[in-house]
Amino acid sequence: EAGVTQFPSHSVIEKGQTVTLRCDPISGHDNLYWYRRVMGKEIKFLLHFVKESKQDESGMPNNRFLAERTGGTYSTLKVQPAELEDSGVYFCASSQTSRGNEQFFGPGTRLTVL
Amino acid sequence: EDQVTQSPEALRLQEGESSSLNCSYTVSGLRGLFWYRQDPGKGPEFLFTLYSAGEEKEKERLKATLTKKESFLHITAPKPEDSATYLCAVQEAAGNNRKLIWGLGTSLAVNP
Repeated sequence: EAGVTQFPSHSVIEKGQTVTLRCDPISGHDNLYWYRRVMGKEIKFLLHFVKESKQDESGMPNNRFLAERTGGTYSTLKVQPAELEDSGVYFCASSQTSRGNEQFFGPGTRLTVL
Repeated sequence: EDQVTQSPEALRLQEGESSSLNCSYTVSGLRGLFWYRQDPGKGPEFLFTLYSAGEEKEKERLKATLTKKESFLHITAPKPEDSATYLCAVQEAAGNNRKLIWGLGTSLAVNP
């Protein structure tokens, strides 16, 4: 069974530019999550999809962040325009409601905003 | 406010030297407590879920336990390949909430 995949693995952009991160969850998982880890801080929750619907977006920092999950499959997280404080590692995770609460994580996308 | 504190921040052991990592938490109601392992440059790897005080789970050299205020990850006779950062997270029992609240982790180094 393929795990959670994320693309790109690294992204370096200038302040003010736009970046789109992609996450492909484990096949059949209805829940998809985005988290972020800023250097020196703990991992923080951003949002949770159930299929294509946003269940909880309480962790989204501001309206420069837009997450979508097309057809309940893959998800994208767009940052527009990027600011310096958006730098960090963005993790995606997925889980299957019928099989418990365990969330399985992708390798992350390291975003650097210069 | 929900909070997770892990100690120690870093731990260095000799191969075969058993020890324990601590995760203390504050949450209104606990749905689950999760332990993950993270290697450099990789995402967190799921280890255990604990749901209620008194529960214990084991996997190879690792054993996780849970009380009403904290969890311990016991490492018995560790090997160098156990070197990693161990992360603890909690999930609050509130409606459909599924978000994980994380600690900073314990960085474990096992010397051969």
